Amino acid sequence: SQKIEQNSEALNIQEGKTATLTCNYTNYSPAYLQWYRQDPGRGPVFLLLIRENEKEKRKERLKVTFDTTLKQSLFHITASQPADSATYLCALYNFNKFYFGSGTKLNVKP
Amino acid sequence: DAGVTQSPTHLIKTRGQQVTLRCSPKSGHDTVSWYQQALGQGPQFIFQYYEEEERQRGNFPDRFSGHQFPNYSSELNVNALLLGDSALYLCASSWTSGGTDTQYFGPGTRLTVL
Repeated sequence: SQKIEQNSEALNIQEGKTATLTCNYTNYSPAYLQWYRQDPGRGPVFLLLIRENEKEKRKERLKVTFDTTLKQSLFHITASQPADSATYLCALYNFNKFYFGSGTKLNVKP
Repeated sequence: DAGVTQSPTHLIKTRGQQVTLRCSPKSGHDTVSWYQQALGQGPQFIFQYYEEEERQRGNFPDRFSGHQFPNYSSELNVNALLLGDSALYLCASSWTSGGTDTQYFGPGTRLTVL
């Protein structure tokens, strides 16, 4: 089955810097990949979707890249703010199923 | 426009009991997916319902079953509860007929099995 790896260690950065989160997957390349934000005790919130034939997607301060050769997606938050502090999940869609990584916790310090 | 709602918010059961969780999808959505999220882990796909049928299923035993009603709301049933079933159960809705893949999650139901 599909396996998704996200850095389990928290990422600590200073306000105003760019945060970069990594999502690696094994086995099959997904039809598309999604990034979600999850705050403690709440359900994930959809942020961005990128398809296998797309290299890059942007939305305001967010950018996601997708490299099917490396089997990797990178998620960037530019000009980070303390309000961006949360756990970020990547999810792959393959064969009509969704596979989630365990998430990376981002801490943005003022 | 109400988003995805789930009930109850919290639930405490003992081993061997049965539980039913409920989900109402976002207005206009026709597909409901259920996930189990253990502490510190990502959501694990249980199954998805579309047009009142189970369309896809993850690696969960038959103790986990579901249903979708004509109004697109859904239930998740878990029989013979085990301690390991303690988790946050998330429901997500999407609009398959509209050709979009975006999932909207509810706040979840926290199930504790003692």
